[in-house]
Parts: sequence; structure tokens; C-alpha cells
Amino acid sequence: KAGVTQTPRYLIKTRGQQVTLSCSPISGHRSVSWYQQTPGQGLQFLFEYFSETQRNKGNFPGRFSGRQFSNSRSEMNVSTLELGDSALYLCASRPGTGVDNYGYTFGSGTRLTVV
Amino acid sequence: SQQGEEDPQALSIQEGENATMNCSYKTSINNLQWYRQNSGRGLVHLILIRSNEREKHSGRLRVTLDTSKKSSSLLITASRAADTASYFCVIVSGGGNKLTFGTGTQLKVEL
Repeated sequence: KAGVTQTPRYLIKTRGQQVTLSCSPISGHRSVSWYQQTPGQGLQFLFEYFSETQRNKGNFPGRFSGRQFSNSRSEMNVSTLELGDSALYLCASRPGTGVDNYGYTFGSGTRLTVV
Repeated sequence: SQQGEEDPQALSIQEGENATMNCSYKTSINNLQWYRQNSGRGLVHLILIRSNEREKHSGRLRVTLDTSKKSSSLLITASRAADTASYFCVIVSGGGNKLTFGTGTQLKVEL
């Protein structure tokens, strides 16, 4: 079955703009989570969605937001981009939520560069 | 820092040797997982160990968990050049919905 699909793969935006990233989970997976990876901060958790509801949120400013649709696809939005938002953004999906002891399946990521 | 700490930061070994990397964390966990990342791409799930397990094997991988010391180790036996990658431990807590990442170990396996 198809893996987790993230689009676009690469993106260059200008400071002050906003950006929307997309993630399509594995078919049947209802939990989608987002992560930011930078050389300085490493991998950090952004938020997790399950059945269109945000279940958990990391320590990021309100400029970072997301949503999940009824087909479990998820989007992440960053408004008023800053240079420090340049990063690899990863999403991951898994079958459900709670302690279901499943590993996460990650997409290949979207590399965002803010200039 | 919310991150788990991994040790060593970088490891270079010869093909055929074993590689061991360690992860320490601070919170109680639901489970702990190990992932591999090649060249800044997506993470690939390797193995999961539950909080009530002490050791688990999968192919050439062996992971241990010591909840009293809040630490885990990943052993890759008979390493191959294709094992060259970054390895991350992921601490799962908060009822399974909160992920905390380790700082990563960069493994280089030379021919």
C-alpha cells in the first residue's frame, strides 16, 4: 500500500509570507502528526490530529497551525514566515491513538527554505 | 531540553563490526522506539519496545530498556555500509500521543 505522501517536496518562500504543507496518511490510518527538524533544534513535535481533532500540541507559536480532513489528510500552515522557520517538515501517520504500540510511518518530508 | 539524550553523537566503524548507541530520557514512557534517517529524509521505524519489556530483537537489531535508569540501547550487529545513517530514539509518553526525540547518533560504516 502507498506510504505517507507529503507535498510539495521542496519550497522556497519569502519572509512574511505564509505556507501550507500537505500530508496524506497511509490508507486506514487516522492519526497524523507533524514534526520540524532543524540542525540546531533537532526533531521537534508540532501537533497531532485524530479524527479531525487536534489531540496534542508542541511548544510552537500560534503561527503554526494545522487541520485534518474527514479523509484523514492533514495540512499544516505557517503564517508570517521567519528565516528560522527554514526546516524539514515531516509528517507521520499511524492506525489510531492511545497506547496502541504501533510505530509511526513517516513521509519523506517537505524542505522549506525561507529567504 | 525536552529531548532525549543520545550517545555517542557520532560513531564510525568498519563493516562487520557491531554498533551500539544509547538513549537516556527523563519522563515515564508508554514505549520507546528507534528510527533511522538517511540523508535528511523521512524516518524509518526500526523497532519498538514497550515499557514493560526489557529486551527485544529484530533481525540484526537488539534493543534493551532499563526503566529504572531511564535508558535504552540499540545494538546493530554485523554492520553493513548500508546501515550508514542517523539513528534516533523516540520516547512515547502522554498516553501514546506525545513524542520526544533523542538528539540522534550519526553512524558511519566504512568498507
